[in-house]
Amino acid sequence: AQKVTQAQTEISVVEKEDVTLDCVYETRDTTYYLFWYKQPPSGELVFLIRRNSFDEQNEISGRYSWNFQKSTSSFNFTITASQVVDSAVYFCALSEASGAQKLVFGQGTRLTINP
Amino acid sequence: DSGVTQTPKHLITATGQRVTLRCSPRSGDLSVYWYQQSLDQGLQFLIQYYNGEERAKGNILERFSAQQFPDLHSELNLSSLELGDSALYFCASSVTPGGAENEQFFGPGTRLTVL
Repeated sequence: AQKVTQAQTEISVVEKEDVTLDCVYETRDTTYYLFWYKQPPSGELVFLIRRNSFDEQNEISGRYSWNFQKSTSSFNFTITASQVVDSAVYFCALSEASGAQKLVFGQGTRLTINP
Repeated sequence: DSGVTQTPKHLITATGQRVTLRCSPRSGDLSVYWYQQSLDQGLQFLIQYYNGEERAKGNILERFSAQQFPDLHSELNLSSLELGDSALYFCASSVTPGGAENEQFFGPGTRLTVL
């Protein structure tokens, strides 16, 4: 069965600090997708990134970067120079690459950026 | 705005009642997923429909049912409601359940409160 673990329940940092959110996953599939979603206080789920299991290149998008390491089954998310607007709950998710492709979510990490 | 619409935004009802949540997928998306976000269970997959047919079931209670109509909108029916059914219910849509088009776009959610 697929499983996603986000061991950090809550993180609180001061604005402009860098912060890394950890995500560890379990799957028997050789091909799968990994995702990060952001849930701001307003409640909607905002897609941030999707990663194919065959693509282990790290990705950077502005202040956001993702580190995918298949060897350790991890897909960590780093926010550089954090801002108050980054405060949200962040979810890591895993999907099989065939069939229903339902998302299996981690428990989420609540990130608070203090001014 | 993801292009996925959900109505109503909020729903307050009493135990034992029945409610219907509605979802309209993004234009062109054939697949609809329902997820439940509760405090104790986190975000979990309920059911998926693809082009009108049920494709996959997750942890969906027997008191819950869903369907996808010919115009591709979907409804999630929750009956004999219990306090524990209070949650945020998300609908997501994607182009197809297979291949590279795996990104699921989430609606704003329906917050159900059972009193």
